[in-house]
Amino acid sequence: DAGVIQSPRHEVTEMGQEVTLRCKPISGHNSLFWYRQTMMRGLELLIYFNNNVPIDDSGMPEDRFSAKMPNASFSTLKIQPSEPRDSAVYFCASSLRAARETQYFGPGTRLLVL
Amino acid sequence: GQQLNQSPQSMFIQEGEDVSMNCTSSSIFNTWLWYKQDPGEGPVLLIALYKAGELTSNGRLTAQFGITRKDSFLNISASIPSDVGIYFCAGIKAAGNKLTFGGGTRVLVKP
Repeated sequence: DAGVIQSPRHEVTEMGQEVTLRCKPISGHNSLFWYRQTMMRGLELLIYFNNNVPIDDSGMPEDRFSAKMPNASFSTLKIQPSEPRDSAVYFCASSLRAARETQYFGPGTRLLVL
Repeated sequence: GQQLNQSPQSMFIQEGEDVSMNCTSSSIFNTWLWYKQDPGEGPVLLIALYKAGELTSNGRLTAQFGITRKDSFLNISASIPSDVGIYFCAGIKAAGNKLTFGGGTRVLVKP
């Protein structure tokens, strides 16, 4: 069975450029989560979708960050414009119904903004 | 800042040793979870705890949900080299549905 799929696995870009991270959740899962991991702040929840609808985006750092889930099998996290402090590993996770249930994490996208 | 304080931040293990780590908070959590993250991978769920006082095992791993609901413990018995990695605690508050993660415990092998 395919797990959560994320692309790209690595991204290096210059400050000011737009960055789009992609996620395909596990088929049949109704909840999708975007996390950011840094050494300083650890793992932080950015946004949480249930049935393709954003439920909680209070973790999104600022207006430069946006996330969409146009259908049950695809989500994007976009940063525009990117800044060096956005450098981190971004994880997507999915669960069958809600956050309380087991969340399965993807391999992450390692982003470096120069 | 993080609401879950995890300790120790790092530790060295020797094969065969037992390992303990804990997670504390000033807030009450309704669910406690323990994850392990290997290099270059996402966290993988090890154990989930849903009731205060609950003690749950998964192979050589044992975790407990503190009676006060403000802490949890993870023990690894008879450690083996593949136990190396970063262990995270995570909690879900009664009133919310978000996972809050601890800072992680990095388990390393003694040289």
